[in-house]
Amino acid sequence: QKEVEQDPGPLSVPEGAIVSLNCTYSNSAFQYFMWYRQYSRKGPELLMYTYSSGNKEDGRFTAQVDKSSKYISLFIRDSQPSDSATYLCAMSEGSGTYKYIFGTGTRLKVLA
Amino acid sequence: SQTIHQWPATLVQPVGSPLSLECTVEGTSNPNLYWYRQAAGRGLQLLFYSVGIGQISSEVPQNLSASRPQDRQFILSSKKLLLSDSGFYLCAWSVLSGTSGASEQFFGPGTRLTVL
Repeated sequence: QKEVEQDPGPLSVPEGAIVSLNCTYSNSAFQYFMWYRQYSRKGPELLMYTYSSGNKEDGRFTAQVDKSSKYISLFIRDSQPSDSATYLCAMSEGSGTYKYIFGTGTRLKVLA
Repeated sequence: SQTIHQWPATLVQPVGSPLSLECTVEGTSNPNLYWYRQAAGRGLQLLFYSVGIGQISSEVPQNLSASRPQDRQFILSSKKLLLSDSGFYLCAWSVLSGTSGASEQFFGPGTRLTVL
């Protein structure tokens, strides 16, 4: 079993839809959770960074962490064609651990 | 603000040739530095990380090596490239927080390497 599981997609939605992207994980020691957006042939861009459980909102993006279920989500409201990209989740134990564990990414297509 | 540079952006090399990819970070001191390789459909594979000058940890045994000659410079090298070394190479940095123990990780623009 991989430490972090993420559906590869592709996920196709119409413009304006609410998008839900998810990752599950097996390591209960993870405390720091990140979402990245990666356009084709570009480096990943950090979208959201959260610590422990709870919600965090930034514009059209909301990140949710449920540590009891080992499940994290990224919601995109009013999706736009420019949101079409691959979304990667990443996690870290912190506390002096230097490693970040990544999901394989979900490809999102927002259709105009 | 912090900036991370990688070069070259694209590279085509023959099998058996040497490799040198460079990464530099601006606007921060004593960062943790990372090299990842991203293959299509396989996610990010951590190759090396460094917590300080001359300190390199290898995650995957292979024909690649890394060096950190300066605080904000990280170099990925190979003496002889293999076909399997083709991929998208990403450099990243983070700063260990004294209170939380972790921070966000930021990526460079990447180098696309094709070995023929």
